[in-house]
Amino acid sequence: EVQLVESGGGLIQPGGSLRLSCAASGLTVNTNYMSWVRQAPGKGLEWVSVLYTAGTTDYAESVKGRFTVSRDNPKNTLYLQMNSLRVEDTAVYYCARVALGSWYGMDVWGQGTTVTVSS
Amino acid sequence: DIQMTQSPSSLSASVGDRVTIACRASQSINMYLHWYQQKAGKAPKLLMYAATSLQSGVPSRFSGSGSGTDFTLTISSLQPEDFATYYCQQTFGAPWTFGQGTKVEIK
Repeated sequence: EVQLVESGGGLIQPGGSLRLSCAASGLTVNTNYMSWVRQAPGKGLEWVSVLYTAGTTDYAESVKGRFTVSRDNPKNTLYLQMNSLRVEDTAVYYCARVALGSWYGMDVWGQGTTVTVSS
Repeated sequence: DIQMTQSPSSLSASVGDRVTIACRASQSINMYLHWYQQKAGKAPKLLMYAATSLQSGVPSRFSGSGSGTDFTLTISSLQPEDFATYYCQQTFGAPWTFGQGTKVEIK
C-alpha cells in the first residue's frame, strides 16, 4: 500500500523553527517529485513547495527564504524545515506525491500535521 | 504567478442535480489543470488530472473539460457523498497554485 505519514507539527512561538517529516511507504521519495501543501484554519489549499527528482526545488513566494524542502533517501522521508515562523504559517501541512504521468497532479496525500504559530 | 479563479465559491444542489464548477487561469496553462475533492477534516483527493482525465477509482459521473485558460468540472448526477469542497490547481508553472475552492452543499 502506498502511504505518506507526516509528523513533527506542534505549537511554536513566532520566530521559531520546526521540521516536518513525511515518511513514505510503497513509493520511493527520490524517484518521485514530492510536494508540500498547507491549509490554514477555515481556508483553502495553498501550495508550498516541490522537490524534484534532480534535487532542485521550487517554493511559494510566501515561504521562499524561510522554508527548505529536502529528503533522506535511506529513510525514504521528505522533510520541510521551517524557520522564522509567522502566525500566518499556522496550518495543516500535507505532503503529497506528484504523479509525473498525471501531468503533475498530486495523487497520494498524507493525513496532514498541524502547525500552530502563536505566542 | 498564475492566478486561478473558481466560480462559484459555493453552491447548493440536490441529489441527482447536474453541477458545474468553473476555473479560470490568469494565463494559458495548456492542460496542466487538476481537480481535487476535499471533505471536512480529510486530505484532498485527486479527481481529474490534465483537465479531462479521470483519476483511477473516481466515479464516471465526474468529468472535466477545457484547455488554455478556461476549465470546468462537471458532476452529472450529484450523489450524497459528493458534498464537499472542490479545488482546481495548475502545475504549468511554479509556483503551482490552487483556486480558492467551491463548496458544494445540500439544498
